[in-house]
Amino acid sequence: LAKTTQPISMDSYEGQEVNITCSHNNIATNDYITWYQQFPSQGPRFIIQGYKTKVTNEVASLFIPADRKSSTLSLPRVSLSDTAVYYCLVGDSWGDYKLSFGAGTTVTVRA
Amino acid sequence: NAGVMQNPRHLVRRRGQEARLRCSPMKGHSHVYWYRQLPEEGLKFMVYLQKENIIDESGMPKERFSAEFPKEGPSILRIQQVVRGDSAAYFCASSTGTGEGQPQHFGDGTRLSIL
Repeated sequence: LAKTTQPISMDSYEGQEVNITCSHNNIATNDYITWYQQFPSQGPRFIIQGYKTKVTNEVASLFIPADRKSSTLSLPRVSLSDTAVYYCLVGDSWGDYKLSFGAGTTVTVRA
Repeated sequence: NAGVMQNPRHLVRRRGQEARLRCSPMKGHSHVYWYRQLPEEGLKFMVYLQKENIIDESGMPKERFSAEFPKEGPSILRIQQVVRGDSAAYFCASSTGTGEGQPQHFGDGTRLSIL
């Protein structure tokens, strides 16, 4: 699994957009990028997954530049309930079922 | 459309007892994974199973721990003769496969406390 680096914490206010950047300089050709969200006392919740360019769903957008050495998770108009830990994972399609969760980014949304 | 169901949510055992953790995967998912999260640490992979088969147990301690996913019924993670160091949150995940577009979906875990 490619190593990832993301900020330890981020603060924001309700209604703002939150962008979390993850660095993965050693990403391999077959690797894709996955983001999870975890609330206290709950399991990680899948948010979004992508390989290149931009992916958008009802929860978030994922921006991946052409060199794929980083990716940015964008959470539009956050609310207090978006306060959670966000994890960036990188792995290939067939072998990396052993998901490796690091410290993640703790996002705190304030009123 | 139930997600991954784990029970019990909390389990208390005394040293030397056995702990049994259950996981029912999402409907249509035949791949099950178990992870352990120690306090202040990230989730660590333990074992990967498909129906009636253990595919990869490289993350599971060789002694006292076992896992199964029978043809019928939930997946079971069994810890024999528990010790204080087994106190952790144990998460189960399931998926339809291991490829892109087949992410793992997690349950809310079983918090095991050893007295």
